[in-house]
Amino acid sequence: ELKVEQNPLFLSMQEGKNYTIYCNYSTTSDRLYWYRQDPGKSLESLFVLLSNGAVKQEGRLMASLDTKARLSTLHITAAVHDLSATYFCAGKAAGNKLTFGGGTRVLVKP
Amino acid sequence: NAGVMQNPRHLVRRRGQEARLRCSPMKGHSHVYWYRQLPEEGLKFMVYLQKENIIDESGMPKERFSAEFPKEGPSILRIQQVVRGDSAAYFCASSPPSRTPNYGYTFGSGTRLTVV
Repeated sequence: ELKVEQNPLFLSMQEGKNYTIYCNYSTTSDRLYWYRQDPGKSLESLFVLLSNGAVKQEGRLMASLDTKARLSTLHITAAVHDLSATYFCAGKAAGNKLTFGGGTRVLVKP
Repeated sequence: NAGVMQNPRHLVRRRGQEARLRCSPMKGHSHVYWYRQLPEEGLKFMVYLQKENIIDESGMPKERFSAEFPKEGPSILRIQQVVRGDSAAYFCASSPPSRTPNYGYTFGSGTRLTVV
């Protein structure tokens, strides 16, 4: 059964600095997803990573996937307040269900 | 193109009552998934359905919980005899068939159930 672990659970960021969120998973996952959730809101899809070495970027966020290490990272460049949210990674193993990590709560301070 | 529609957004039930949560998938999506999120936690898979079929219910509690996705109408997650521990946000997601390129999941806004 696929297990997904994120770290850190909480990340206090200073504006303008760079940070990384790590997502480890236990067994083969044919896709890796990153989502953002604001308090009391639904999940917003950020990235879908399909293959080893995949890298996707959108604004200050960049996600990568290393299937051999079973690791995905979400890199935040020059953090800004608007990026404060909870970030989830999720894997998709056999069958169609997603298995989520516990989330990383990000707070960007001025 | 409306996204995944869930209703109600908020639902308050007294202990022992029934809760019915509804989910209409995106147009063209034939797969529906229900997830539960407890406060300060990630989402936990509950059930995966296609029209008139339950494909995977490995995350559903054995008692009091049921789900359906009829030929016509929305998917329904039903919780009988609710208890305080059922208080959570319940999210529905939908997806097209898995062979679709750029396969992905779209989440609804969720139903926040409070049991008093």
